[in-house]
Amino acid sequence: DVKVTQSSRYLVKRTGEKVFLECVQDMDHENMFWYRQDPGLGLRLIYFSYDVKMKEKGDIPEGYSVSREKKERFSLILESASTNQTSMYLCASGGAVTSGNEQFFGPGTRLTVL
Amino acid sequence: GQNIDQPTEMTATEGAIVQINCTYQTSGFNGLFWYQQHAGEAPTFLSYNVLDGLEEKGRFSSFLSRSKGYSYLLLKELQMKDSASYLCALADDKIIFGKGTRLHILP
Repeated sequence: DVKVTQSSRYLVKRTGEKVFLECVQDMDHENMFWYRQDPGLGLRLIYFSYDVKMKEKGDIPEGYSVSREKKERFSLILESASTNQTSMYLCASGGAVTSGNEQFFGPGTRLTVL
Repeated sequence: GQNIDQPTEMTATEGAIVQINCTYQTSGFNGLFWYQQHAGEAPTFLSYNVLDGLEEKGRFSSFLSRSKGYSYLLLKELQMKDSASYLCALADDKIIFGKGTRLHILP
């Protein structure tokens, strides 16, 4: 059974804190993605990675960074959390997008920044 | 860039048929995905269209017309469990999602 796991389902942090969101996949996928999902705005791509140590900016990378030291793990980092980063964060992994490979999503982390 | 438009909400009756439309403006893409997302859950894959035409998969079918910049998801014999959001997404080197259509099914 394919699986994408995220380190926390719910997280509460304070403004200015450094936040790490971890994502692990067990499908040997090369591609991994971080999205945030907000009411009325849908799923928006923050960063993605096609290979170890490789990263590409998505549509809304400001205020975020990522790390991919191992193929199975993709971390999203909020260097200094702000209240406008309160959101649902979804990680996904998959094969080559250009070949129509589906993305498998993790259960999501609901982050609240106070 | 890619501009993807879907209706925000739709309502249909159990047992009926519903068509969820997706229009887009883009200079090019590899294919178009449809995902289903139940409230509080992660999106799950429904279909992928590369060529123009209809792809049928059980009660769900997806259609693509590249020349018209248009796709739709057709759900037949609606069941209460089909109440969910349906996300249209374009694929090039990454996947860009529309805002989704929330479908309500009435008994």
